[in-house]
Formats: sequence, structure tokens, C-alpha cells
Amino acid sequence: AQTVTQSQPEMSVQEAETVTLSCTYDTSENNYYLFWYKQPPSRQMILVIRQEAYKQQNATENRFSVNFQKAAKSFSLKISDSQLGDTAMYFCASLSGAGSYQLTFGKGTKLSVIP
Amino acid sequence: GAGVSQSPSNKVTEKGKDVELRCDPISGHTALYWYRQSLGQGLEFLIYFQGNSAPDKSGLPSDRFSAERTGGSVSTLTIQRTQQEDSAVYLCASSLVLAGAAQYFGPGTRLTVL
Repeated sequence: AQTVTQSQPEMSVQEAETVTLSCTYDTSENNYYLFWYKQPPSRQMILVIRQEAYKQQNATENRFSVNFQKAAKSFSLKISDSQLGDTAMYFCASLSGAGSYQLTFGKGTKLSVIP
Repeated sequence: GAGVSQSPSNKVTEKGKDVELRCDPISGHTALYWYRQSLGQGLEFLIYFQGNSAPDKSGLPSDRFSAERTGGSVSTLTIQRTQQEDSAVYLCASSLVLAGAAQYFGPGTRLTVL
């Protein structure tokens, strides 16, 4: 069974600063995909970034980037130049194995950006 | 283009009543998913539809839960004889049918069973 662990229930960061959210996962598959989703108070789950496990290059989307350490099974999210609109729950999720479609989510990290 | 839409946004019902939740996926997405988000359980997979294939219902918590997808597009999740433990946010997502395809979520329906 897959597991995804987010060890930081809550974090805060000053506006314009950088913050890193941690995520570790466990899978026996060689082929898998990792995701970060953001869920603001509006409840909409928004895709932030996607990483393919067979690609060594870390994915980047504007101010969001990941540090993917395959051997350590670690997939952290770095948010640069934090903005008030980044305040949200952040969920790490995995999709493992050929033909897999069930996302396995971590428990989430509540991020507050302080003005 | 338009994203995934869900209705109603909020639903309050009495214990024992039946409820129907609706999901309209992104046009062109043949895969559709239902998840449940509750405080104690986090995000749980409920059911998966792909095209005309038989759905994967392995995540449905009891036989009071059922779902259908008509015409390969709109889906309805039905909960019969609702219980208080059914109170949660029900999220629908859709995706292309590709390995590792990202799932795009709707705004969810918050169900409260009194």
C-alpha cells in the first residue's frame, strides 16, 4: 500500500519570504507520479505542481518548485516570494504504478502567510 | 475553458433522507473520480469512471452509496438513508486517460447530516 506523510500540520511564513513544505512517500513501484495540491478556504483543490518519478529534473511552476529526492522518497515543495494568496492547506499526493488512478493524499499542511 | 463544476455547493439534510450530488467534468476528460474529505479520515477515494468501462467502486464505504455517469459526462453520487458520519465534503475530479495524468478538482459539495 502507498503512504504519503506530511509531518508539518501547520506552518507560517512572512510575506515575500521562502518556505519549504515537507512530504515523504512510500511505494514499491518504479513508475509513479507525485503532486502538490493547494486548497484555500474556498475549498477548491488546485493543482500546484506535478513530478514524474523517472525525470531527475525537479519540476518548477513560477514561484513553486520541488526538491525531489528519489532515493530518500522525499518530495518537498518550496514557495518563493510568499504572497497572502498562498495561505491555504497544501496536500502532497502520489499516483503509483502503471494504470493507477487512485491518488493517495497526505494529511496536509496548513500554511499561513503573515503580512 | 470551464473547470469541473459541482452542485449543490452545500447540502443540509436530515438523517435517513437520500441525497444526490452532481458533478460536471471538464469537457474532453473521460476519467471521472469521486473523493470524500472529512476531518477524521482526510481525503478518501470513492469511485472511478473511465469511458464506458465498468466503474471501480472499491472505495465506496457502504451499499448506501452509489454513483452513475450518464452519457460519459455528468456523474451523480447518491447517498441513501444518510447517517451523521456521512457529513463531509464530497469532491469530484476529472482527467485525461493518460499515465500519471493530473486530476482537476471541482469546488466540492459540503454535506451536513443533522
